[in-house]
Amino acid sequence: NAGVMQNPRHLVRRRGQEARLRCSPMKGHSHVYWYRQLPEEGLKFMVYLQKENIIDESGMPKERFSAEFPKEGPSILRIQQVVRGDSAAYFCASSPETGSGTEAFFGQGTRLTVV
Amino acid sequence: RKEVEQDPGPFNVPEGATVAFNCTYSNSASQSFFWYRQDCRKEPKLLMSVYSSGNEDGRFTAQLNRASQYISLLIRDSKLSDSATYLCGPSYNTDKLIFGTGTRLQVFP
Repeated sequence: NAGVMQNPRHLVRRRGQEARLRCSPMKGHSHVYWYRQLPEEGLKFMVYLQKENIIDESGMPKERFSAEFPKEGPSILRIQQVVRGDSAAYFCASSPETGSGTEAFFGQGTRLTVV
Repeated sequence: RKEVEQDPGPFNVPEGATVAFNCTYSNSASQSFFWYRQDCRKEPKLLMSVYSSGNEDGRFTAQLNRASQYISLLIRDSKLSDSATYLCGPSYNTDKLIFGTGTRLQVFP
C-alpha cells in the first residue's frame, strides 16, 4: 500500500508562471489536506478537501490559489502568477473516511522555488 | 490568540535526559490530538495519538489536560536520534488538523 504520493518533489517556476502540485492520497483515503511550510516555520493549514468537495479553505490566500480533488485522479493545488513569496514546501496529507480523530499521513512534499 | 501554541525552542539536552514539551490550544471543541515528528526537510510523521487523558509508548508519554487546554509530550532517556521538530495538532469535528509551529529538540552527546 503506497503512501501519500506528491509530485513533483521539486518545482522551479519563474515569477508570473503557474505552478501545479499533485497529491495522490493513500489507497482508501478520501480526505486530503494541503499545508505550506516556509523555511524555519511551522505547517500552515491551507485547505481540506473530500472527493469533489472543498470542506474548509480558510487557510487559502484569496487570490491566485485554488485546489481541487476530482472524483478521479489526484488532488491538485494550483498557484497562478507565482511570486517569490510563494517559495515554500507544500505538503499534502490524507486520512481515511472514518470521522473525527483519525490521524493524517503526509506525502514527502513539493518544494517550490520561484525565481 | 493562536489556535495552537508551542514553545519553538530549541531545547538542547544531553543524551539520557528527560525533556517535556507543552502545547496549548484555544478551541475547546478539539476532539483528539496528535504529536508528529518532523526531521529537517522531511515530511511530518505521526508519533503519538492522544484521545483521552494520555498515552504512553516506550520512552514517550503524551498527556492531555482538557480543563487547561494543553497537551504535553515527555521524552525519557533522550537519544541523539530524537533530535527533530515536534509538532502538536488538535483536530476538530470537521477533521481539520491544525498544527503548532513546532518545538525543536537537539540532543547532544
